[in-house]
Amino acid sequence: GQQVMQIPQYQHVQEGEDFTTYCNSSTTLSNIQWYKQRPGGHPVFLIQLVKSGEVKKQKRLTFQFGEAKKNSSLHITATQTTDVGTYFCSFSGSARQLTFGSGTQLTVLP
Amino acid sequence: IAGITQAPTSQILAAGRRMTLRCTQDMRHNAMYWYRQDLGLGLRLIHYSNTAGTTGKGEVPDGYSVSRANTDDFPLTLASAVPSQTSVYFCASSVGDNQPQHFGDGTRLSIL
Repeated sequence: GQQVMQIPQYQHVQEGEDFTTYCNSSTTLSNIQWYKQRPGGHPVFLIQLVKSGEVKKQKRLTFQFGEAKKNSSLHITATQTTDVGTYFCSFSGSARQLTFGSGTQLTVLP
Repeated sequence: IAGITQAPTSQILAAGRRMTLRCTQDMRHNAMYWYRQDLGLGLRLIHYSNTAGTTGKGEVPDGYSVSRANTDDFPLTLASAVPSQTSVYFCASSVGDNQPQHFGDGTRLSIL
């Protein structure tokens, strides 16, 4: 069956440092979505990637979809304390429903 | 403000009791979902509905039931609560399946 690994599980960075989280799939993905969940909050949709090799930017956030559509990354440049939270990738799984990765919990130290 | 409303916000429940978590959306989205979120396990899909009148089982459906009588409402029922159902429950909706999802604020449920 389809397996997607999200790494790392946890990341602590000093404010101002960069951060990257990765989602790696054993099979080709039709698309991938990224969500952010603040502590105590609910997941909030960030972006959807559909095309092979696609790169999208949102201010300090850069999202990439691999050429083979088997991996994706979210990169944050110069982290701020407002970036704290858990970042999830999600992808189309069985029964055409989204499956969420296990998430990367980001802590930003001031 | 358009969005998803979940109720209650939190609940403590005795094991064996019946409980219905409510979810209402006003965005006229076709698809709705129920997830549970447990520490270290991310979001797991319980049940979903691609359109009013239809429902489907997700990854962890046992012990839960849903109904979708209309577009706006998607209640989740625990027929006989057990302690392992202690979790945070999120309802979500989207325009269609595999489209970006909008989440409610969640219901924190504790079963004793």
